[in-house]
Amino acid sequence: SQKIEQNSEALNIQEGKTATLTCNYTNYSPAYLQWYRQDPGRGPVFLLLIRENEKEKRKERLKVTFDTTLKQSLFHITASQPADSATYLCALDIQTGANNLFFGTGTRLTVIP
Amino acid sequence: NAGVTQTPKFQVLKTGQSMTLQCAQDMNHNSMYWYRQDPGMGLRLIYYSASEGTTDKGEVPNGYNVSRLNKREFSLRLESAAPSQTSVYFCASNRQIYEQYFGPGTRLTVT
Repeated sequence: SQKIEQNSEALNIQEGKTATLTCNYTNYSPAYLQWYRQDPGRGPVFLLLIRENEKEKRKERLKVTFDTTLKQSLFHITASQPADSATYLCALDIQTGANNLFFGTGTRLTVIP
Repeated sequence: NAGVTQTPKFQVLKTGQSMTLQCAQDMNHNSMYWYRQDPGMGLRLIYYSASEGTTDKGEVPNGYNVSRLNKREFSLRLESAAPSQTSVYFCASNRQIYEQYFGPGTRLTVT
């Protein structure tokens, strides 16, 4: 069966360190992979999109990698800040023709001052 | 721009009651989506509308109906609510193959 797993439900990290979140999938062949941020009581907010033929994408302190051989994406936040505390969701777009995203369950990141 | 708006923000229903969740977007997006989010389950697609005039089932459509009223509005209807439909419901929209924009959610409790 198809599955998307995010490495841990919760991750605590000291301020200033790099946070690394993992998204693994099985039985999918995604054309795109997206990362979203979700704050408590709010809807997800788009952060980054990476295509299957791209190895790495950066935006400010964020970096995403995508390894289709390992079926894995890594999401890095460098110089983490308490304001980065949130739940981060990965989502796979398998391009069925309707841009349906399949979401992981998320990793709750807490950055400790 | 308001983005994606949803009403109501909170709702409590008794088993068997019906209700409609409303969603509107002002970004001129073609595609709209309804998801539910449950603890430990992630976001799951209920129904989507790739363009005005079309709707299709997602992963968990049972117990729900939808209407794409026009390009801006996409409603989700629960005809006979069940406790298993207690969840947080999100509406989203996008142009095709790009990121989705989500509304603030509706928190529904069915007793």
